[in-house]
Amino acid sequence: QKEVEQDPGPLSVPEGAIVSLNCTYSNSAFQYFMWYRQYSRKGPELLMYTYSSGNKEDGRFTAQVDKSSKYISLFIRDSQPSDSATYLCAMSAGTGRRALTFGSGTRLQVQP
Amino acid sequence: DGGITQSPKYLFRKEGQNVTLSCEQNLNHDAMYWYRQDPGQGLRLIYYSQIVNDFQKGDIAEGYSVSREKKESFPLTVTSAQKNPTAFYLCASSIDQGGQGRNQPQHFGDGTRLSIL
Repeated sequence: QKEVEQDPGPLSVPEGAIVSLNCTYSNSAFQYFMWYRQYSRKGPELLMYTYSSGNKEDGRFTAQVDKSSKYISLFIRDSQPSDSATYLCAMSAGTGRRALTFGSGTRLQVQP
Repeated sequence: DGGITQSPKYLFRKEGQNVTLSCEQNLNHDAMYWYRQDPGQGLRLIYYSQIVNDFQKGDIAEGYSVSREKKESFPLTVTSAQKNPTAFYLCASSIDQGGQGRNQPQHFGDGTRLSIL
C-alpha cells in the first residue's frame, strides 16, 4: 500500500464548477501538507501549504486537513479552463527527512 | 528573478553513457532535492542535500550520483548502471531551518526530460 493515495482521474468538470480533490495517507507523523499544480511538461508549482489540521484559503483555493482521518482536500471555486492541470498532494513529517512524499496526482480538465 | 534553473530541457543518453543534469538556484536555499517522475506516478526522491558538501540517498538512488560543492548547485549524474533512465527529472530547493524548525515548502524547476537513444 502506498503511503499517500490519490485518485488519478481524469476529472472533467464544466467551467464555473466547484472542484474537490483529495488525498489519504497512512503515516501519522505527517504534519506538513502541500498542494502543487503541474502543467504538462513543466515543474510543479506550489499552490497551498498548511501545517497540522485546519483550513486555509487563498483566493479561489481552499485547503483542508483532517489529521484524525488522515485525509486532505483541495477545493477550487469558480473553476476556469486555465485550472486544467495535474494536481499533486505532498506531505512530510515534522522531524527527520524533510523530503516530500507525493501522491500520484489527479488530472483535472475544466471544459469551457 | 529568483528561481531554479534546470538544463538541458531535453537530453538523450546512449547505451553505456553517463549523463549529467544541471540544477542551479539563486534563492539562497540551503536544501536541494532531485526527484524522478514517471507517467501517471508521483515524484520519487533520488537524492537530497541539506547543506553544502553533504547529501543523502533517497528512495531510488541506485544508478545515480550527485555532488554539492556549492550552495547554488546540485548536479545529478545518471550513470550507465541505471537501466531504466527514461523519465522526467525535477530539481527542487527549500529553506532549511534546522532540526527544530518548520519544514518549508519546496520550489521546483521546470525539469529535464531524459530519453534513451
